[in-house]
Amino acid sequence: DGGITQSPKYLFRKEGQNVTLSCEQNLNHDAMYWYRQDPGQGLRLIYYSQIVNDFQKGDIAEGYSVSREKKESFPLTVTSAQKNPTAFYLCASSDALGSTGELFFGEGSRLTVL
Amino acid sequence: GQNIDQPTEMTATEGAIVQINCTYQTSGFNGLFWYQQHAGEAPTFLSYNVLDGLEEKGRFSSFLSRSKGYSYLLLKELQMKDSASYLCAVMDSNYQLIWGAGTKLIIKP
Repeated sequence: DGGITQSPKYLFRKEGQNVTLSCEQNLNHDAMYWYRQDPGQGLRLIYYSQIVNDFQKGDIAEGYSVSREKKESFPLTVTSAQKNPTAFYLCASSDALGSTGELFFGEGSRLTVL
Repeated sequence: GQNIDQPTEMTATEGAIVQINCTYQTSGFNGLFWYQQHAGEAPTFLSYNVLDGLEEKGRFSSFLSRSKGYSYLLLKELQMKDSASYLCAVMDSNYQLIWGAGTKLIIKP
């Protein structure tokens, strides 16, 4: 079945460590996104990519990095520079950037900093 | 600034009807989306409105008034499985999605 797979589902990190969240899609979508979700707030865009080897900062990119070496994959690294990384992270894709079609989301990764 | 407002929480009874409102102020408008999100899970698409009026899809309907910056999601014949958060999102003139904080809907027997 087509869809988006995120891993790991739960992740614990010590302060000062970098962690990488995986996101893979087999929907043949060009556009991919990373969102952060915190209680009581709307989804906030971290990074997005509309094509391989190209990505753009979203509203809260500081302390995060991404790569888009393959169409199917858009991993997110949460670096030690991110001051408050404990959150629920969602990866999504759409057929094209700005498409009025639906976003397809992965199941999410919950990161907790100890 | 850009802003999406939704009630934080609503409670309704199984079998009843509930209306979840969303008001928005954005830089331009290229459509409004509603998503459903069960606790700890990914959001799933419910509806998309770009023209004024009501779109009906089974037990769920979504309404849009662009002149008022207003939408609502109407859920009929409520079932316990409808207990979830409902997210309103507007696509602005740059085709970026602006998200509301979501409305947590609690269904009671």
